[in-house]
Amino acid sequence: GENVEQHPSTLSVQEGDSAVIKCTYSDSASNYFPWYKQELGKRPQLIIDIRSNVGEKKDQRIAVTLNKTAKHFSLHITETQPEDSAVYFCAASKGYGGATNKLIFGTGTLLAVQP
Amino acid sequence: KAGVTQTPRYLIKTRGQQVTLSCSPISGHRSVSWYQQTPGQGLQFLFEYFSETQRNKGNFPGRFSGRQFSNSRSEMNVSTLELGDSALYLCASSKDFHTDTQYFGPGTRLTVL
Repeated sequence: GENVEQHPSTLSVQEGDSAVIKCTYSDSASNYFPWYKQELGKRPQLIIDIRSNVGEKKDQRIAVTLNKTAKHFSLHITETQPEDSAVYFCAASKGYGGATNKLIFGTGTLLAVQP
Repeated sequence: KAGVTQTPRYLIKTRGQQVTLSCSPISGHRSVSWYQQTPGQGLQFLFEYFSETQRNKGNFPGRFSGRQFSNSRSEMNVSTLELGDSALYLCASSKDFHTDTQYFGPGTRLTVL
């Protein structure tokens, strides 16, 4: 079945350090991989996404890499700041091209950035 | 552009009652999806709609239903509420069924007593 595994479940880093969160998906037909940040009591916010025809994408301090062969994708945050503290969710879908927009989510990573 | 809006933001119901939640997508967006978020199960897909048609349904009992109107607004209904239905219900909108990027609303926090 469709499944996305996410690790670690909690991550504590010092301000200025880098943070890496990893996800593995099971459905090889998945072609779209977004990352959402959810602060306590707020909506999930899209922070970056990647499509299956791209291996890496970067937006300022945030980058995502995709390894289709291994069915792995990762979120990299550099120069972390206290405001990066939140729960991060990875997701996978077949939405690129229109099969469905259904997102299969990972279980989330609680990132704590210590000042 | 205004973001995705959901009403009400909070609801308290008792077991056996039914509830209707509403979602207004971003202006110009025609696809709406619904998700249930709980501490134990995480974020789980409920259903998705496009052009007033349900395109896909998640693994939830028939007590969960939804619909989409001609203006793209969507509602979901849960009948015969159970304690386990307590959750944050999130809707997400995307431009159309062939567009992958989805934006979430603030959610409706449902508590079943």
